[in-house]
Amino acid sequence: GAVVSQHPSRVICKSGTSVKIECRSLDFQATTMFWYRQFPKQSLMLMATSNEGSKATYEQGVEKDKFLINHASLTLSTLTVTSAHPEDSSFYICSARKGGMNTEAFFGQGTRLTVV
Amino acid sequence: ELKVEQNPLFLSMQEGKNYTIYCNYSTTSDRLYWYRQDPGKSLESLFVLLSNGAVKQEGRLMASLDTKARLSTLHITAAVHDLSATYFCAVDAYSGAGSYQLTFGKGTKLSVIP
Repeated sequence: GAVVSQHPSRVICKSGTSVKIECRSLDFQATTMFWYRQFPKQSLMLMATSNEGSKATYEQGVEKDKFLINHASLTLSTLTVTSAHPEDSSFYICSARKGGMNTEAFFGQGTRLTVV
Repeated sequence: ELKVEQNPLFLSMQEGKNYTIYCNYSTTSDRLYWYRQDPGKSLESLFVLLSNGAVKQEGRLMASLDTKARLSTLHITAAVHDLSATYFCAVDAYSGAGSYQLTFGKGTKLSVIP
């Protein structure tokens, strides 16, 4: 397999502040990474596809200005939740494909965000 | 739009019994994944099914893929409590936007009781 590391695993922040979540591919280069959100007792919903060196592709209904994605290198993508509100509280998970477009995806450990 | 339907969504079974979880999908794909998720944790990869007729087994779990029927199954044999978790299937398909995307089923919450 391959290792995808996500940090932090848990974060609590105050309403109105911003939070940055990092996703790193530790032993491979990933031109594409994916960000998912999972609400309690629900499935994973794709938020955006992060492309190294270019703008992310957001899914319908996901606010680009609220969920800022940066993929500055082949091993790091970041998701910044700006002006967080309690409804942004969720479990955020990243994934990366080790090879080409349709190779297996590997998942990070997830980040539990709680906005108070 | 690709749809992935998983059933049942909830499954309570006694230890030692057998059961099957079904995953139907709506578009052509020959790449399907099964994952396990424990509470508060991320996804653990169980099986990668890459072609029609693929069958993989690991311990008490066996997964199969029928691309013609657009159906995958996850069979549980002689369940034990440690298998209690939520199981997701995910279908890999071209998104039309230059990449492949995984679309997940809603998950099956499995509880194995003594």
